[in-house]
Amino acid sequence: GAGVSQSPSNKVTEKGKDVELRCDPISGHTALYWYRQSLGQGLEFLIYFQGNSAPDKSGLPSDRFSAERTGGSVSTLTIQRTQQEDSAVYLCASSHGHNTGELFFGEGSRLTVL
Amino acid sequence: AQSVTQLDSQVPVFEEAPVELRCNYSSSVSVYLFWYVQYPNQGLQLLLKYLSGSTLVKGINGFEAEFNKSQTSFHLRKPSVHISDTAEYFCAVSGSNAGNMLTFGGGTRLMVKP
Repeated sequence: GAGVSQSPSNKVTEKGKDVELRCDPISGHTALYWYRQSLGQGLEFLIYFQGNSAPDKSGLPSDRFSAERTGGSVSTLTIQRTQQEDSAVYLCASSHGHNTGELFFGEGSRLTVL
Repeated sequence: AQSVTQLDSQVPVFEEAPVELRCNYSSSVSVYLFWYVQYPNQGLQLLLKYLSGSTLVKGINGFEAEFNKSQTSFHLRKPSVHISDTAEYFCAVSGSNAGNMLTFGGGTRLMVKP
């Protein structure tokens, strides 16, 4: 498809398990972002990839969170030893990378940690 | 660094009535401003943006917003709402020299009643 694709759309896991969330950005977009949307909260920035530059990880809440972007395209967000407070919708967005601010969002991956 | 405050978490309004969703920001640098809309069970999509030029910006679905630098505001308005406008609305800001990294407000849930 032409839009940002995220998988899985829903993930239920047990506390302490690791999870991986995948994002396929729009073809040709050089910038990729991960945000977290918790119930009743706004969007919390997690990490930003721009081309071949080192990612901006300033929003990752703890060292249990990591992300990579392979070949400048697909990105995986990994949460190790999940906790109940990690339950949220994880949103991925991509953009052309130049400074117009238009991000294109996927529909998100809803993570529930029991 | 930038921050965004959306003063109302929920705004109930009757169909065909006007609505204003308030957004205030703080920043030490020049900014770009955005409104995104999230319909139920969908990803965010851009409603409108202010980069430069005219302070009155028109977006999709009849929405408009006005950039007021002295009041550091970017309120969203629509003269007559429809049931289909029921959604979550997010105001966002980025520094004009900061790539596309957006800081989002907490969101305002617009509830249009018949």
